[in-house]
Amino acid sequence: GAVVSQHPSRVICKSGTSVKIECRSLDFQATTMFWYRQFPKKSLMLMATSNEGSKATYEQGVEKDKFLINHASLTLSTLTVTSAHPEDSSFYICSARGTDPAYGYTFGSGTRLTVV
Amino acid sequence: QKEVEQDPGPLSVPEGAIVSLNCTYSNSAFQYFMWYRQYSRKGPELLMYTYSSGNKEDGRFTAQVDKSSKYISLFIRDSQPSDSATYLCASSRGSTLGRLYFGRGTQLTVWP
Repeated sequence: GAVVSQHPSRVICKSGTSVKIECRSLDFQATTMFWYRQFPKKSLMLMATSNEGSKATYEQGVEKDKFLINHASLTLSTLTVTSAHPEDSSFYICSARGTDPAYGYTFGSGTRLTVV
Repeated sequence: QKEVEQDPGPLSVPEGAIVSLNCTYSNSAFQYFMWYRQYSRKGPELLMYTYSSGNKEDGRFTAQVDKSSKYISLFIRDSQPSDSATYLCASSRGSTLGRLYFGRGTQLTVWP
């Protein structure tokens, strides 16, 4: 089946620093990747959608200069949280979609970001 | 009104019980319907995927979609403690798989 690898699983950083999260599709080509944020006991909030080789499309209210998304290849997308603040602490999850709808969307295992 | 509504629970049942999880949606254009299971601090994993109306069965899991009432259901037979997780319903519109709209998720606990 389709596998998406997300790293790191947990990261602690200081306020003002930047953190990069990677999302890789291991056995399929991810034409589209989605980045979500999830608060405790809440559903997934879509932050942005990226197609390989194109600029990401951000959801309303998401700062594109703060959450930089790069989807340079069909197997790799990255989310960089720039100048992180404690309010950016959250669970970030990527999801990849290939060309076969039967697979739906495959999710990474998530990254727990804590900004201190 | 949210695109997909789901009762967050929590739902607690004894081992062996039949579990019924439900969602409603508002957009008639939704064609794809999915159920994801999410364990604590993990990414969601796809359980069931249905296109348009009808039933789909996979082992102890049955997914139902009733487009006339805009109702999505997941049934778990012979529930096990390992089924304890948060279950998220999701829908997508159109003839190709577009962005997913998620429910809030229902937290399920199956006790031995």
